[in-house]
Amino acid sequence: QSVLTQPPSVSGAPGQRVTISCTGSSSNIGAGYDVHWYQQLPGTAPKLLIYGNSNRPSGVPDRFSGSKSGTSASLAISGLQAEDEADYYCQSYDSSLMGVVFGGGTKLTVL
Amino acid sequence: EVQLVESGGGLVKPGGSLRLSCAASGFTFSSYSMNWVRQAPGKGLEWVSSISSSSSYIYYADSVKGRFTISRDNAKNSLYLQMNSLRAEDTAVYYCARYSGYVGNWYFDLWGRGTLVTVSS
Repeated sequence: QSVLTQPPSVSGAPGQRVTISCTGSSSNIGAGYDVHWYQQLPGTAPKLLIYGNSNRPSGVPDRFSGSKSGTSASLAISGLQAEDEADYYCQSYDSSLMGVVFGGGTKLTVL
Repeated sequence: EVQLVESGGGLVKPGGSLRLSCAASGFTFSSYSMNWVRQAPGKGLEWVSSISSSSSYIYYADSVKGRFTISRDNAKNSLYLQMNSLRAEDTAVYYCARYSGYVGNWYFDLWGRGTLVTVSS
């Protein structure tokens, strides 16, 4: 049971827009801690996708965007492409656990 | 090239020990806090341990506290994880990851490819 809750899977057709939610609590996202997102392509290491709720590292396409409100955050992917098929993880900090916490991950399938 | 390269994984019996290493290159290693993050087969990511740039601050997940020891050698641009009293549930790919951000809002901006640790009799 992960501290941050993500849907196990989402899917969309090429060109569509999908969103992945990340729900936390008052000790993590709701406490004001930032949410960060990672993309893990099959058989590879995770890669930073979004940091500080909505910032994209250099090289990440602007099709990827992040937002945060209350105790939840979302990752949106527009103009879906086959290469976006991967696992996506959210991450934050939890003051009760005094450590970094991850969501359980969401598998994105491009139909 | 900016990169992290892990080594030291392998097959070990329950109760055994293993030492993982992570070699950093392409950036000023001594300026960054570093971490170990693991991923059990078919499962999600789990933060394991972190160490500050000068080794002054060290933290562990409850699941490994008392069994694992993180350390670093800035002169050798290397990060280590000594794993003792290994259990089957420690089986995972172990990633070395660099911290960026600030206190309470850390994120992992650079990851190694990982090294597989299998605990089995």
